[in-house]
Amino acid sequence: EVHLVESGGGLVKPGGSLRLSCAASGFTFSSYSMNWVRQGPGKGLEWVSSISSSGTYIYYADSVKGRFTISKDNAKNSLYLQMNSLRVEDTAVYYCARDIYQGRLVFLPDYWGQGTLVTVSS
Amino acid sequence: NFMLTQPHSVSESPGKTVTISCTRSSGSIASNYVQWYQQRPGSAPTTVIYEDTQRPSGVPDRFSASIDISSNSASLTISGLKTEDEADYYCQSYDANNLVFGGGTKLTVL
Repeated sequence: EVHLVESGGGLVKPGGSLRLSCAASGFTFSSYSMNWVRQGPGKGLEWVSSISSSGTYIYYADSVKGRFTISKDNAKNSLYLQMNSLRVEDTAVYYCARDIYQGRLVFLPDYWGQGTLVTVSS
Repeated sequence: NFMLTQPHSVSESPGKTVTISCTRSSGSIASNYVQWYQQRPGSAPTTVIYEDTQRPSGVPDRFSASIDISSNSASLTISGLKTEDEADYYCQSYDANNLVFGGGTKLTVL
């Protein structure tokens, strides 16, 4: 069974940094691309970033480009999101989600974690 | 980039059928797969439709979807509505470098 567990969320001041982690199990992590998606309080889903299975190809939403860095450690079955220069508008639940196909990134999440809450406030 | 537009909310009675639309602003709806997610209050999204029309195992066949090239839209249809279907539903597609979500539709089953 596919299992994704996010961690690392919390309260941080504007301008601060936070590193989110997503522990994966139940599938061959190294064969799958991964995505981060967030949801602000009372808002819809917003794509944040995606990474190909080997980490070669990386994409970001314009809203986080230059501030967030996605990475993937296939040896540890883990996905990360380093978030710097955080803003109040980054406050959201952050979900990691597996991409649907093995071997290529197609921006189609299939399995989702339960999310971790990031609150940016002074 | 393109946008996906969904109605903000729909409501229907138990046992009835409801359809939620998702209109793509530019580019063909048929050029990239559309997926649909269900999100119940306080829970993470789950996939109810993938590859435009396919249901993952475990999703009841009351859920179906289609693509309409003439209106450049996708639709999610839920028949035999149950109170447990009350949730937010999101369509999603992509282009070369972006993943795009619709704004979400709140389904009320009353």
